[in-house]
Amino acid sequence: QKEVEQDPGPLSVPEGAIVSLNCTYSNSAFQYFMWYRQYSRKGPELLMYTYSSGNKEDGRFTAQVDKSSKYISLFIRDSQPSDSATYLCAMSRNQGGKLIFGQGTELSVKP
Amino acid sequence: GAVVSQHPSRVICKSGTSVKIECRSLDFQATTMFWYRQFPKQSLMLMATSNEGSKATYEQGVEKDKFLINHASLTLSTLTVTSAHPEDSSFYICSAREGTPEFTDTQYFGPGTRLTVL
Repeated sequence: QKEVEQDPGPLSVPEGAIVSLNCTYSNSAFQYFMWYRQYSRKGPELLMYTYSSGNKEDGRFTAQVDKSSKYISLFIRDSQPSDSATYLCAMSRNQGGKLIFGQGTELSVKP
Repeated sequence: GAVVSQHPSRVICKSGTSVKIECRSLDFQATTMFWYRQFPKQSLMLMATSNEGSKATYEQGVEKDKFLINHASLTLSTLTVTSAHPEDSSFYICSAREGTPEFTDTQYFGPGTRLTVL
């Protein structure tokens, strides 16, 4: 069993839709949770960073962490075609620790 | 924001040759750099962690004699794939972390290098 599970998609939505991306994990020691966006043939770009449980909002993006369920989410409001990319969740046990990535979800936002 | 560059962005080589990939932090000093490998539609897999001035720490299953890592300065790390074979064809991505971790402790990723071994 992988430490981090993420549905690879692909996920296709119309422009303006609310997108929900999710990851589950098995190791309760994870405390730091991140979402990265990766455009085709590019390196990942950090979108959101969360410590422990709770919500964090940044513009159209909201990250949620539920440690009791070992479940994290990224919501994208008013999705745009420019949001089309692969979204990777990542987590670590301690600050500066090794990042464990999910498989990535491929998102396509259609105009 | 912090910028990490990689060179080359794409390389094609013959089987049996060695290939060197450079990773540079352009506007900050990186005491720690990471090398990842990513197969199509798959996640990033950490290969090794390198700290400036010391030997790299390799993940289980990664051959240190095949994937040579040198972190000679605070802004440069290199990955050399020795005696490359077609199964080494992949997307190699580096990341760099500043020396003094803030709360975010962010890893900044390079744009990646696509290696194709014929």
